Amino acid sequence: NIVLTQSPATLSVTPGESVSLSCRASQSISTSIHWYQQKSNESPRLLIKYASQSISGIPSRFSGSGSGTDFTLSINRVESEDFSIYYCQQSYSSLFTFGSGTKLEIK
Amino acid sequence: EVQLVESGGGLVQPGRSLKLSCAASGFTFSNYGMAWVCQAPTKGLEWVASISTGGGNTYYRDSVKGRFTISRDNAKNTLYLQMDSLRSEDTATYYCASLYDGTYYYWGQGVMVTVSS
Repeated sequence: NIVLTQSPATLSVTPGESVSLSCRASQSISTSIHWYQQKSNESPRLLIKYASQSISGIPSRFSGSGSGTDFTLSINRVESEDFSIYYCQQSYSSLFTFGSGTKLEIK
Repeated sequence: EVQLVESGGGLVQPGRSLKLSCAASGFTFSNYGMAWVCQAPTKGLEWVASISTGGGNTYYRDSVKGRFTISRDNAKNTLYLQMDSLRSEDTATYYCASLYDGTYYYWGQGVMVTVSS
C-alpha cells in the first residue's frame, strides 16, 4: 500500500504570508497526487489535481508542484478563508488513499 | 447542480448492522465510479470502499473487508454501503464521493455513524 506522509502536521502563519505544504509518497507515484481543502464542519473540496493542474473555481493563489515521491501545495499570500486542513490523495494505485493532513492555523 | 445526499446514519450497538444510502443527482451517475470516505471525530480522511461504474469491481480498506459491502443501483442513481458487525472504531462521518480522473470530485455532506452500547 502507498503511504502518504504530510508535513508539518500544523502550520501557523499570519495572513498575507505565503506557505508551502509537503506530501511525501512511500514510493514513486509519478504525478498522481491531488490536493483537498476541508474547512471546519464542511465536506472536502478538490483544489489541485495531478500535482499541478488547476481546478475550475479554485483561486489562483493555490498551486501545486512535484513528481515522483515529493509534492508541494503552495498558497500565495494566505487569506483568512484559507485557514483549514489540507489533505493530499494518491490515485497511482486503485486504492485512492489520503495523507494525514496539514492544519493551517492563524499565528 | 450536482448533489450527493447521504442518509441512513445513526446510533447503533456494536455487532449490529446499518445501511447507508447516497442519492445522486445533477450528473450521469452511471458514468462515474463512486466511493465512501470516512472521518472519525477529530481525525483525518480515510478511504473506505470504491465501486466501478457498472458495479463489477469493488475495493475495500483492510479494516472493513468482510464486514462492509459497497453496491450501487444505476437505475435509481443511488450508492449504498452495507455495514455489518459494526465496531466502536467504525464511528465516523461517512461521505459518499464521485470518482473522476483519479480524484474524489464531488462530495456529499456526510452522515454520522455512532457505534456504541
